[in-house]
Amino acid sequence: AQSVTQLGSHVSVSEGALVLLRCNYSSSVPPYLFWYVQYPNQGLQLLLKYTSAATLVKGINGFEAEFKKSETSFHLTKPSAHMSDAAEYFCAVSVTGGGNKLTFGTGTQLKVEL
Amino acid sequence: DGGITQSPKYLFRKEGQNVTLSCEQNLNHDAMYWYRQDPGQGLRLIYYSQIVNDFQKGDIAEGYSVSREKKESFPLTVTSAQKNPTAFYLCASSNRDSLNYTFGSGTRLTVV
Repeated sequence: AQSVTQLGSHVSVSEGALVLLRCNYSSSVPPYLFWYVQYPNQGLQLLLKYTSAATLVKGINGFEAEFKKSETSFHLTKPSAHMSDAAEYFCAVSVTGGGNKLTFGTGTQLKVEL
Repeated sequence: DGGITQSPKYLFRKEGQNVTLSCEQNLNHDAMYWYRQDPGQGLRLIYYSQIVNDFQKGDIAEGYSVSREKKESFPLTVTSAQKNPTAFYLCASSNRDSLNYTFGSGTRLTVV
């Protein structure tokens, strides 16, 4: 079965600083990997996804993530944080033949300070 | 515009009562899912359905039931057997290749 681990339940950065949210996955078959963002009392919005094409994936709002098979990682980065980036971020994995379901990490709450 | 509609947004129920959460999609997606979200635990899968009239248990199905009589609809019933039903519930759907998931805006259920 596949799983995802997000290191750091809370991350705080200054506005303009680098954002780095960590995600490690476990899967016995090639995975599809996703990053979602959630604002309070709302659904999830897709930031980006890895589908076995390019290992560096660019998403919306200036976010990107790099798939590193050797490290089983898919960390999310943004060069310069903005106040509007404050939200909860979820990493998720799905696999072909895995019932088409997403398995989520426990989330990382990002705080952006002035 | 296509999307997923969850209703109601907020729901209050007395302990011991069954309650049904609605989820409707007009994306022509085959698969639909129900997740439960609790602080610090991420999203956990309750039930999912890949085709009409068929569904499978997820990781935390106890105390919940679903039906999939129409492609567009996947209602979730929280029964009195669910020991701790207060949570945020999210419905999602995906296309056949499972690379495009769409989430509803959620229903916050509070049991008093």
